[in-house]
Amino acid sequence: GAVVSQHPSWVICKSGTSVKIECRSLDFQATTMFWYRQFPKQSLMLMATSNEGSKATYEQGVEKDKFLINHASLTLSTLTVTSAHPEDSSFYICSAEGTSGSLDEQFFGPGTRLTVL
Amino acid sequence: AQSVTQPDIHITVSEGASLELRCNYSYGATPYLFWYVQSPGQGLQLLLKYFSGDTLVQGIKGFEAEFKRSQSSFNLRKPSVHWSDAAEYFCAVELDAGGTSYGKLTFGQGTILTVHP
Repeated sequence: GAVVSQHPSWVICKSGTSVKIECRSLDFQATTMFWYRQFPKQSLMLMATSNEGSKATYEQGVEKDKFLINHASLTLSTLTVTSAHPEDSSFYICSAEGTSGSLDEQFFGPGTRLTVL
Repeated sequence: AQSVTQPDIHITVSEGASLELRCNYSYGATPYLFWYVQSPGQGLQLLLKYFSGDTLVQGIKGFEAEFKRSQSSFNLRKPSVHWSDAAEYFCAVELDAGGTSYGKLTFGQGTILTVHP
């Protein structure tokens, strides 16, 4: 099946710094990618929908100026957590849909564990 | 707003025993329904999905799920559990393309499955 990678798999940063997380579709092109956040013992919550070449669409309650999303190519989307604070510590997961436009399946990355000190 | 409920946070079964993981959704229409499995260090993997038609859906790894409209449920089953099935399982729903949530998944809280030898 299709493979989605994320980099880094984990990161520790100081409060106030910015962190960039990459999401790549390795063997297919993804016009749409999604970013989720998962807190401990909780479910995945959709943060934003990223479409190649256009601005991301953020879910209600997600600060677009804090979570910058760039989808510059059909295989790469990045999430930058700006001025990170301890409450941003979480597990960030991306997923990607293929260019077929099918609703069949989203392919998920393995996630990135962010810890803000 | 649509919601997904997985009533069981943690289930323990013996290897070889049957398994049923519960999932209920709240939405006026019939959404697309999914079950995913998440193993440590790996991305979510799709087990099966229901879009329409036969309400009993077969998936990978010997899993099946039955959609019951009257109960707004989509329970996951497996007749004989293997130790390798130990993981966390997520039920998810997605509105159809006629809605405004194309491609957006809403996840349940997850059920952790422990398998005893």
